[in-house]
Amino acid sequence: AQSVTQLDSQVPVFEEAPVELRCNYSSSVSVYLFWYVQYPNQGLQLLLKYLSGSTLVESINGFEAEFNKSQTSFHLRKPSVHISDTAEYFCAVSFTGGGNKLTFGTGTQLKVEL
Amino acid sequence: SAVISQKPSRDICQRGTSLTIQCQVDSQVTMMFWYRQQPGQSLTLIATANQGSEATYESGFVIDKFPISRPNLTFSTLTVSNMSPEDSSIYLCSVAGDETQYFGPGTRLLVL
Repeated sequence: AQSVTQLDSQVPVFEEAPVELRCNYSSSVSVYLFWYVQYPNQGLQLLLKYLSGSTLVESINGFEAEFNKSQTSFHLRKPSVHISDTAEYFCAVSFTGGGNKLTFGTGTQLKVEL
Repeated sequence: SAVISQKPSRDICQRGTSLTIQCQVDSQVTMMFWYRQQPGQSLTLIATANQGSEATYESGFVIDKFPISRPNLTFSTLTVSNMSPEDSSIYLCSVAGDETQYFGPGTRLLVL
């Protein structure tokens, strides 16, 4: 069975500082990996995903994540955060041939302060 | 990606009543999913809804409590039946495409 672990429930950070949100997964088969963002009182938006190919994937708003198979990780990073990045971030995994079913981590609340 | 809408966006209901949530997609999709997000928690899959077949429910969720319809490739409904305060959650539908799921804006339900 798959599982996703987000060790940090909350990450406070000052504006323009770098941030890393950690995500580790457990699976015995090949996986697809995703980061979703949920802004206050909104639904989930896809931030970025790894399906295959380059292990480093980027979003349009400056976030990036790197798939590390040996460490079973997919950490999310941004070199300089903005106040508007304040949101809940969810890591999720599906396995190939699994019918697109997603398993979510417990989420990390990123709070950017001035 | 598909554009997904949900109705209602939020509602306050009395215990013992039922609420039907609608999910509309702007393109035809084979697989649709319904999730629950309880306050301060992550998302839990309720069921997978494929057009032309019965919904497939996850462990802990039953059809009598969460009946689902999928009459065509662009629409689905989830009913929360005989509600109790524990059903207060955000309910989200999603659609699958390109090995990825895309989510609707959610329905915020408060049961008193």
